[in-house]
Amino acid sequence: SQTIHQWPATLVQPVGSPLSLECTVEGTSNPNLYWYRQAAGRGLQLLFYSVGIGQISSEVPQNLSASRPQDRQFILSSKKLLLSDSGFYLCACQDSAYGYTFGSGTRLTVV
Amino acid sequence: GESVGLHLPTLSVQEGDNSIINCAYSNSASDYFIWYKQESGKGPQFIIDIRSNMDKRQGQRVTVLLNKTVKHLSLQIAATQPGDSAVYFCAENRGFGSSARQLTFGSGTQLTVLP
Repeated sequence: SQTIHQWPATLVQPVGSPLSLECTVEGTSNPNLYWYRQAAGRGLQLLFYSVGIGQISSEVPQNLSASRPQDRQFILSSKKLLLSDSGFYLCACQDSAYGYTFGSGTRLTVV
Repeated sequence: GESVGLHLPTLSVQEGDNSIINCAYSNSASDYFIWYKQESGKGPQFIIDIRSNMDKRQGQRVTVLLNKTVKHLSLQIAATQPGDSAVYFCAENRGFGSSARQLTFGSGTQLTVLP
């Protein structure tokens, strides 16, 4: 089975600062990778998905971008954070034809 | 767009009782459904899944029921324990792109187990 590593676990950043969240996957090759955001008390919103190196699809227009420089590395970035970017960010790996495995998440607070 | 929604945002049950968490979905083309448990500050964890060619599936202390006629999904937890306290999400799976599949999540139900 796959193992997903996300870091950092928590992050406090000022408005206008850049962001880089990293997700790496072990135990699989050529996985489909996903970035989700979860607002407090809400469900998960899909932000980006990637089916391979350099292939990024965005589900919603936003202040964030994603990159996949290596097969098992998925990065979420922003050049200038907004207050509305605060939330719980989850990386997920598709580990079968249907199922997902989630990372432990990063709690981002923009102040 | 179509989405997965839950009937109740919160549910409180006494320890030892059975819990039933409901979910409605709107995409009749969905062929796979998953229940996740999310504890505070952690990522969602897989509980149980069911494919659209099934009506019922049982796991350890959990049962998922699927009613395709009314597009309703439920999660039953037997003999609820304090460790079951968490947010429970149902997710609907649909295909997109060449090989990726997207999960559409409901807003979640907060289950609280009372001593």
